Amino acid sequence: SQTIHQWPATLVQPVGSPLSLECTVEGTSNPNLYWYRQAAGRGLQLLFYSVGIGQISSEVPQNLSASRPQDRQFILSSKKLLLSDSGFYLCAWITGTGELFFGEGSRLTVL
Amino acid sequence: GEDVEQSLFLSVREGDSSVINCTYTDSSSTYLYWYKQEPGAGLQLLTYIFSNMDMKQDQRLTVLLNKKDKHLSLRIADTQTGDSAIYFCAGFPTSGTYKYIFGTGTRLKVLA
Repeated sequence: SQTIHQWPATLVQPVGSPLSLECTVEGTSNPNLYWYRQAAGRGLQLLFYSVGIGQISSEVPQNLSASRPQDRQFILSSKKLLLSDSGFYLCAWITGTGELFFGEGSRLTVL
Repeated sequence: GEDVEQSLFLSVREGDSSVINCTYTDSSSTYLYWYKQEPGAGLQLLTYIFSNMDMKQDQRLTVLLNKKDKHLSLRIADTQTGDSAIYFCAGFPTSGTYKYIFGTGTRLKVLA
């Protein structure tokens, strides 16, 4: 069966520090992968999606970047965090019928 | 661009029915979905409806789709305290992109 994992689950970072969130998928190959951000009490904002290794589409021109070094690995990064980067980050992959499976989420607090 | 709107809050008493509404602008999605998000967790698929259907019933859940008005609703019968969560409607437009479009989310609070 397919599984998706994110880590770390929670982190607190100072403004200006770097960020790396990792997402891995198991049990499927060549998945379409997504990074979403959810600010407190808000809806989902699509940040990046990837249809294959090294293929990243950015939806939000901010200080975040994404990479897909392996088929089932999706990484969200930042060189210098801003206060506005705080939020709940969700990784997801999509099935052939359009169902999204989400990871457990990573809660980032920037102080 | 694509837009999906939901009311932000809904409060109901335990045992009553809940109706969560959603309106959308892009009608090219083959399927329309309802996701549930419990506190501190990711989203989970609750149910979905094929775009050529008007209604789908799944135990306590009833999905109604009005394509003419671009309106989707989720009815939860006999609402329980465990149904308290945020509910998102979503579509996956077949417009050549891989963008999954979510509504703004409706926070359902069930009062005992």
